[in-house]
Amino acid sequence: EAGVAQSPRYKIIEKRQSVAFWCNPISGHATLYWYQQILGQGPKLLIQFQNNGVVDDSQLPKDRFSAERLKGVDSTLKIQPAKLEDSAVYLCASSPAGQAPFYGYTFGSGTRLTVV
Amino acid sequence: AQSVTQLGSHVSVSEGALVLLRCNYSSSVPPYLFWYVQYPNQGLQLLLKYTTGATLVKGINGFEAEFKKSETSFHLTKPSAHMSDAAEYFCAVIRGGGYQKVTFGTGTKLQVIP
Repeated sequence: EAGVAQSPRYKIIEKRQSVAFWCNPISGHATLYWYQQILGQGPKLLIQFQNNGVVDDSQLPKDRFSAERLKGVDSTLKIQPAKLEDSAVYLCASSPAGQAPFYGYTFGSGTRLTVV
Repeated sequence: AQSVTQLGSHVSVSEGALVLLRCNYSSSVPPYLFWYVQYPNQGLQLLLKYTTGATLVKGINGFEAEFKKSETSFHLTKPSAHMSDAAEYFCAVIRGGGYQKVTFGTGTKLQVIP
């Protein structure tokens, strides 16, 4: 089966600019996650979708970050305006609904964002 | 609340030597535990998982981990390190129940010396 697709792989922007990341999960996976991985740290959950509804966005900086998952398939994560501390790898993951404890997550390769 | 502690941000072993990466967790309910591996410029790949049943679990690439409830540990081991094992390893815990929220450790970077 095809994996989780993410684009772009790399992005360099200046602070205060905006940026968007795209994720296409594995076909049929109802649950989609966006993680932020800062260098030297473990991934931190930003937002979790179940189909096109938000399950958890408690760690999403809502003043600058937004995410949507229209039609319950692919998803976009946007940052506007970007700050230097947003430099990180943004990982998308997906899992079948309610099965993450048993199967784990499937991750994409991530988008490496550098804010200068 | 749940948390994961990985002891040692960097571990170096010689090729052919035992690999031991440490993970301790805290959870108010029986946890689900995972080890993921991340190669440079790639996403995370599931190595192995513990949900219920046998406490010694085997994963891919010759890795295994043992769930020890009394020690709240889930250490990752491999009898003989290979150069291709050089990567970063993350322990993760998922709290069971209706909402499955995962918490990752800070990672351990494994260096294999020829």
